[in-house]
Amino acid sequence: EADIYQTPRYLVIGTGKKITLECSQTMGHDKMYWYQQDPGMELHLIHYSYGVNSTEKGDLSSESTVSRIRTEHFPLTLESARPSHTSQYLCASSPSELYGYTFGSGTRLTVV
Amino acid sequence: AQTVTQSQPEMSVQEAETVTLSCTYDTSENNYYLFWYKQPPSRQMILVIRQEAYKQQNATENRFSVNFQKAAKSFSLKISDSQLGDTAMYFCAFMNYNAGNMLTFGGGTRLMVKP
Repeated sequence: EADIYQTPRYLVIGTGKKITLECSQTMGHDKMYWYQQDPGMELHLIHYSYGVNSTEKGDLSSESTVSRIRTEHFPLTLESARPSHTSQYLCASSPSELYGYTFGSGTRLTVV
Repeated sequence: AQTVTQSQPEMSVQEAETVTLSCTYDTSENNYYLFWYKQPPSRQMILVIRQEAYKQQNATENRFSVNFQKAAKSFSLKISDSQLGDTAMYFCAFMNYNAGNMLTFGGGTRLMVKP
């Protein structure tokens, strides 16, 4: 069982609400990532971090923001949710290139 | 930039039979890693198998094996003795060596194992 946890697993919220998706890992990995997975299942990198106080935007433009104050914690925040944000969000971490990524179970977000 | 292409959006196989999922990639680099990930319905994405480009020997993990053709930039996944639990989305992924640990994913292949 992977040591990376995402909460909540499912979330339905109204338009305009602020939400934070939690991601925590207990493996001590420096590198962490957020992916958005669309209904067609394609994966799009939206944010990544190489360590504490390091955050970068990914390939897909996103209105979300992230923070990395502690190694184990990499939350993603949407200040004002819209229906276009409806998607599955996957968090991942990695120790090095050789081992690829370990993924969390995902958060399925629905904005109504 | 690297691209990864999975040309089979959907595939099906009978239980106990063998199936091969295709993946091609485009890169000008010589050192890199390749991965296959499995995402079962509503479940966590997990690593199935990985291959280091400098190794000529094809990776094998139990019923899963790859056919890595570096010159052709091809990295197919073979699943032998398919089981119902193999039903999932399968993603091929590429990572450059010493390039920031960034994975590039293919679009995925949905595999259905039929009883």
